[in-house]
Amino acid sequence: DTEVTQTPKHLVMGMTNKKSLKCEQHMGHRAMYWYKQKAKKPPELMFVYSYEKLSINESVPSRFSPECPNSSLLNLHLHALQPEDSALYLCASSRQTSGDYNEQFFGPGTRLTVL
Amino acid sequence: AQSVTQPDIHITVSEGASLELRCNYSYGATPYLFWYVQSPGQGLQLLLKYFSGDTLVQGIKGFEAEFKRSQSSFNLRKPSVHWSDAAEYFCATLGGGADGLTFGKGTHLIIQP
Repeated sequence: DTEVTQTPKHLVMGMTNKKSLKCEQHMGHRAMYWYKQKAKKPPELMFVYSYEKLSINESVPSRFSPECPNSSLLNLHLHALQPEDSALYLCASSRQTSGDYNEQFFGPGTRLTVL
Repeated sequence: AQSVTQPDIHITVSEGASLELRCNYSYGATPYLFWYVQSPGQGLQLLLKYFSGDTLVQGIKGFEAEFKRSQSSFNLRKPSVHWSDAAEYFCATLGGGADGLTFGKGTHLIIQP
């Protein structure tokens, strides 16, 4: 199984809502990532988890809160988002974060619209 | 910080013609380099990667890329494109926060019938 799954596919939320994005992989990977991709732009790294511990936070606003409950699951909790946070949120995983093992597999993404 | 540059925003190729997409990297040591493809509204699929060793790497879907240190390039090639190759292509390197990927701006590939 070389698949990374993400739910939901689409999400529309108001600025006062609280929602969560979910990402799952069953490849035994110990590194998981969140990226944000605005329309017609490349993905930008948000967070990196290595062995269920947050290793990198790319200065992301606190209204985005990541969580890695176990090695297969990665969540992104959303609260009080702004319309400019509307984007495609991509999850990825790799065996490890170190170079030779850092071949990242991406999920299909969650298309988020903030009204 | 490591970075990659894709100088072509759009490329138009006739179906059956050959393709070359350009990528230049900026890093002193041997970088980790990747090519990904993204169809509209979809996630990214890894086409191929270069870590070390043989400078000509073969990927999926008939793609290949050549690492050229003298030119700081890692260009993607395909001998004959199909209409289904129309997509956005991203060159990437490890360097975003050291463990995450840093992407080029992407090249939009259009296939003419």
